[in-house]
Amino acid sequence: ETGVTQSPTHLIKTRGQQVTLRCSSQSGHNTVSWYQQALGQGPQFIFQYYREEENGRGNFPPRFSGLQFPNYSSELNVNALELDDSALYLCASSFERDSYNEQFFGPGTRLTVL
Amino acid sequence: AQSVTQLDSHVSVSEGTPVLLRCNYSSSYSPSLFWYVQHPNKGLQLLLKYTSAATLVKGINGFEAEFKKSETSFHLTKPSAHMSDAAEYFCVVSDTGGFKTIFGAGTRLFVKA
Repeated sequence: ETGVTQSPTHLIKTRGQQVTLRCSSQSGHNTVSWYQQALGQGPQFIFQYYREEENGRGNFPPRFSGLQFPNYSSELNVNALELDDSALYLCASSFERDSYNEQFFGPGTRLTVL
Repeated sequence: AQSVTQLDSHVSVSEGTPVLLRCNYSSSYSPSLFWYVQHPNKGLQLLLKYTSAATLVKGINGFEAEFKKSETSFHLTKPSAHMSDAAEYFCVVSDTGGFKTIFGAGTRLFVKA
């Protein structure tokens, strides 16, 4: 059983640029959630995708957008990067979108915005 | 609206002594509650979850938590700490009313030899 993978592991961008982060779900999982974890803080929910549609969203501006593909892999896109976007971005997959399901987390992508 | 409060940002215990990490929550709906652990440079791992079955939940590595609705608490305990337990612990609430998951700010557990 393949776990959740994310790419790239590290990324450095400058303010105003755009970035795309990628996530491959665990085999058999159709639900993907994205989180932002700033240094020293808990992960903050960005949004969730279920069967290729956005299924819930946290308090993040529209410049944070996503996609889920037919194979249930996912992308997080961030436009017009700001310094405060520097964080660890975590992807988590689960079997179905039910709230009681365990989420399996990837190792994260460390984004630095200069 | 959901929220999670982890009452201690840091907890320090000696090896072999009990661990208590405190968590209070609020939720408009029937919540599912989780504890996740994050070791340095490793991914988040589920310790245990409560989903309206037994109120005392047993997890991995000897951890357990008790759901107390009257106190809106879900504290994590372990009878005897091990050095390998040193990590960041997150209390998490997810409810059926909306597809959102809320993490607490985390509690850093230090284990002294």
